[in-house]
Amino acid sequence: QSVLTQPPSVSGAPGQGVSISCSGSSSNIGSGYDVHWYQQLPGTAPRLLIYDNNNRPSGIPDRFSGSKSGTSASLAIAGLQGEDEADYYCQSYDTSLGHGIFGGGTKLTVL
Amino acid sequence: QVRLQESGPGLVKPSGTLSLTCAVSGGSISSNNWWSWVRQPPGKGLEWIAKIFHRGSTDYNSSLKSRVTISVDKAKNQFSLRLSSVTAADTAVYYCAREKGARPEGDAFDIWGQGTLVTVSS
Repeated sequence: QSVLTQPPSVSGAPGQGVSISCSGSSSNIGSGYDVHWYQQLPGTAPRLLIYDNNNRPSGIPDRFSGSKSGTSASLAIAGLQGEDEADYYCQSYDTSLGHGIFGGGTKLTVL
Repeated sequence: QVRLQESGPGLVKPSGTLSLTCAVSGGSISSNNWWSWVRQPPGKGLEWIAKIFHRGSTDYNSSLKSRVTISVDKAKNQFSLRLSSVTAADTAVYYCAREKGARPEGDAFDIWGQGTLVTVSS
């Protein structure tokens, strides 16, 4: 079981918006450590989507946004497109473990 | 731009040692970045394994630390992973990745290799 908890799956219709949560604790997100998000299309390597809670790397559409509050973080995707169908992972640092950690991943299905 | 390419045997026998290398191109491994290994068992999530800085500093996942060694070869612009006493549970796609910075608590992984599947089987 991952230290960062994500819903196993979410879904939405094209054009709609969805949100993926990443729930942590006082030893990671709640201690102020940044959260990063990755998109993994089937059969490919993860791609950085959001870094330091709410920053998009060059080339990432502004349909993707991130936020953090307390011991949780969220990834929001607006205007769903078929190409968004993928697995999404959050990542942060855990002071109790002393290293970086990933959430268990969320599979996004575009209906 | 910086590219990463993993290489190594795709099949390792149980109790053997898994050895992988990540070649860095388009940039220097001596840049101000940490370099990591991350793995993903088939159908499962991501697990960070270890990281190294070009000056030799290392950090390991506590659950794997007793079996893992990460090293850097600045002359060849590459870094390597060795995982000993492997079992079927170590079967996974192994990725090398670059952290975008060098903060003590780590940074986001902004560049990833394509990954290489390593199967542990006799």
